Amino acid sequence: DQQVKQNSPSLSVQEGRISILNCDYTNSMFDYFLWYKKYPAEGPTFLISISSIKDKNEDGRFTVFLNKSAKHLSLHIVPSQPGDSAVYFCAARNFGNEKLTFGTGTRLTIIP
Amino acid sequence: DVKVTQSSRYLVKRTGEKVFLECVQDMDHENMFWYRQDPGLGLRLIYFSYDVKMKEKGDIPEGYSVSREKKERFSLILESASTNQTSMYLCASFGSGGFRYNEQFFGPGTRLTVL
Repeated sequence: DQQVKQNSPSLSVQEGRISILNCDYTNSMFDYFLWYKKYPAEGPTFLISISSIKDKNEDGRFTVFLNKSAKHLSLHIVPSQPGDSAVYFCAARNFGNEKLTFGTGTRLTIIP
Repeated sequence: DVKVTQSSRYLVKRTGEKVFLECVQDMDHENMFWYRQDPGLGLRLIYFSYDVKMKEKGDIPEGYSVSREKKERFSLILESASTNQTSMYLCASFGSGGFRYNEQFFGPGTRLTVL
């Protein structure tokens, strides 16, 4: 049972435009959400997170939006740059639980 | 800066061999994790440990075991490697409080091929 879903396995975006990556979850007990970025042959690196008490968190070019009623979160990257080409994973956790549940990932390709 | 290291970047083993993957973190974190990453399946949790000598099964523990004798080191053991264990293995650690709480830090990964 996939509790965190990323329905788009891949996405291509022109350099300078906005990239929007989506993530859906089914477990209403999740209270903290994270996005990780992964380059080939490297470990994932943390990008941005959001607590369930917020609906938006911004860090430079990256913004994460959370819609709890829809159990949906999205990552916006503006403007997209070639170095943003990577696989992006969303992840979620329950309060007091150290485990993260990851989505299947979306491969983002930025076209110069 | 925080650091999680894994013993090998690439490993090739034969079916039936016993395989040890080691992970070391220098952040004094209580919690350590082993994942495998496969195309289309994302990161799946194999085992995790929340303290020395403590371990819990993740979502796909079959065919694996773990060892945590020291806080900084978490080992993943494939008792008898099989071809379906060919994968990218990722170690992560996580502190229960303080700076950058909630973030798991990952090692660079070990690409294991079982022939």
